[in-house]
Amino acid sequence: GENVEQHPSTLSVQEGDSAVIKCTYSDSASNYFPWYKQELGKGSQLIIDIRSNVGEKKDQRIAVTLNKTAKHFSLHITETQPEDSAVYFCAASLAPYSGGSNYKLTFGKGTLLTVNP
Amino acid sequence: DAMVIQNPRYQVTQFGKPVTLSCSQTLNHNVMYWYQQKSSQAPKLLFHYYDKDFNNEADTPDNFQSRRPNTSFCFLDIRSPGLGDAAMYLCATSKLKIGRAGNQPQHFGDGTRLSIL
Repeated sequence: GENVEQHPSTLSVQEGDSAVIKCTYSDSASNYFPWYKQELGKGSQLIIDIRSNVGEKKDQRIAVTLNKTAKHFSLHITETQPEDSAVYFCAASLAPYSGGSNYKLTFGKGTLLTVNP
Repeated sequence: DAMVIQNPRYQVTQFGKPVTLSCSQTLNHNVMYWYQQKSSQAPKLLFHYYDKDFNNEADTPDNFQSRRPNTSFCFLDIRSPGLGDAAMYLCATSKLKIGRAGNQPQHFGDGTRLSIL
């Protein structure tokens, strides 16, 4: 099955700096890669996702890049703010072209991001 | 407005006493998932429903069961909770489209934190 590795496990930055979180995946058939933000005591909120037919996607201060050859993808947050502090999870899955249960998300172990004022 | 609602937010039960967690959704999504998340770990998929079809993960203990009486509701039943079952339980939904539309984002509830006495 799919295996997703996420690094670093903790990341501390100063407000205004950039933060980068990296994930690698093992199954070359995976083609959907979402990123979730989980604030303390809450469920996960999708912040950005990317499909394998593009190499980069940007939404304001958040961007995700995908390198299919190397099987890794990264989350980039620019101009970080204290409210960006949370645990971030990457995930990978297959698109359900043939039905069945091959659309399950496999999550990384998470990165605790702390943005210091 | 909350779209995936989990009740209760906090649940305390006694060792061995059956407990039910509930999830409802207003998104009319055809897939509903239950995850277990322990402290500092990634969410772990227990099972999911694709419409009425139940899909159990191979490593989900028999102690965990689920019911989906209709599109909007899904329940997680823990028949005999042990101390190791103390965790956050997350419900998620997605709209599954077979074919070129591919995988659709999963929407998470805020979770139910289960404590075992």
